Amino acid sequence: AQSVTQLGSHVSVSEGALVLLRCNYSSSVPPYLFWYVQYPNQGLQLLLKYTSAATLVKGINGFEAEFKKSETSFHLTKPSAHMSDAAEYFCAVSEFSGNKLVFGAGTILRVKS
Amino acid sequence: GAVVSQHPSRVICKSGTSVKIECRSLDFQATTMFWYRQFPKQSLMLMATSNEGSKATYEQGVEKDKFLINHASLTLSTLTVTSAHPEDSSFYICSAKRGGYGDQPQHFGDGTRLSIL
Repeated sequence: AQSVTQLGSHVSVSEGALVLLRCNYSSSVPPYLFWYVQYPNQGLQLLLKYTSAATLVKGINGFEAEFKKSETSFHLTKPSAHMSDAAEYFCAVSEFSGNKLVFGAGTILRVKS
Repeated sequence: GAVVSQHPSRVICKSGTSVKIECRSLDFQATTMFWYRQFPKQSLMLMATSNEGSKATYEQGVEKDKFLINHASLTLSTLTVTSAHPEDSSFYICSAKRGGYGDQPQHFGDGTRLSIL
C-alpha cells in the first residue's frame, strides 16, 4: 500500500522568503510522485511530477522538488515566496503516472506581506 | 493544454433528489477518469475509477448504487448522486487521464460543491 505524509498542516512565510513544504511517502514499488496546488473552491493544478528520471524536478511558478529515495522524501521548495503562492498544496503518490493517486492531507501555505 | 471542465460548479438541492455532475475533457481524449471527494479541510479521497466503455471500479467503502458513474465516451464521464442526503454534501472533483503511451498525469476539473438541505 502507498501512503503520503505531509508534515505541517499550515506553513507561514514572509513574502520573499524560502518556501519549504515537506512530503514523505511510503511505497512498495518505485513511486511516481506529484505536487498539486489548490486554490479555494477550485480543482487541483499540477505543479510538478517525479517519474524516475532526474531526481531534481522543476515545475511551474518557480517551484521545484527533490526526490530522495534514502529519506523517502519529496519536499517542495521555492526560493522566494510570492503572495500569489498562498494556497493549499497536496503531495501525492501513485504506482504509475496517471493512475490512482493517494494524497497527503495537504499543507496550507500562508504568505505574509 | 489539457482542460477538464466540470459542471455544475455548485448545486444546492433538497434531500432525496438525485444530482448529476458532468466531467468533460475539452481538448483531449480521456481513456480514464477519476472521481474524488473532498471533505472540508481534508484531502481528496478517490471514490472510483472509470474507463471508457466499461464499468467503474469503486474504492472500498463507496456505495456503487449511491454514486452512479458513467463513462460513455472518451470525453465525458458523469457522477450521479442518487437520493442525496445531507451527509452527501461535499466537494466532488473529477480528473481525466489522456490516452496513449508514456507518462500521462491526471488533469483535474474545478470541482462541484454539492449542498444537500
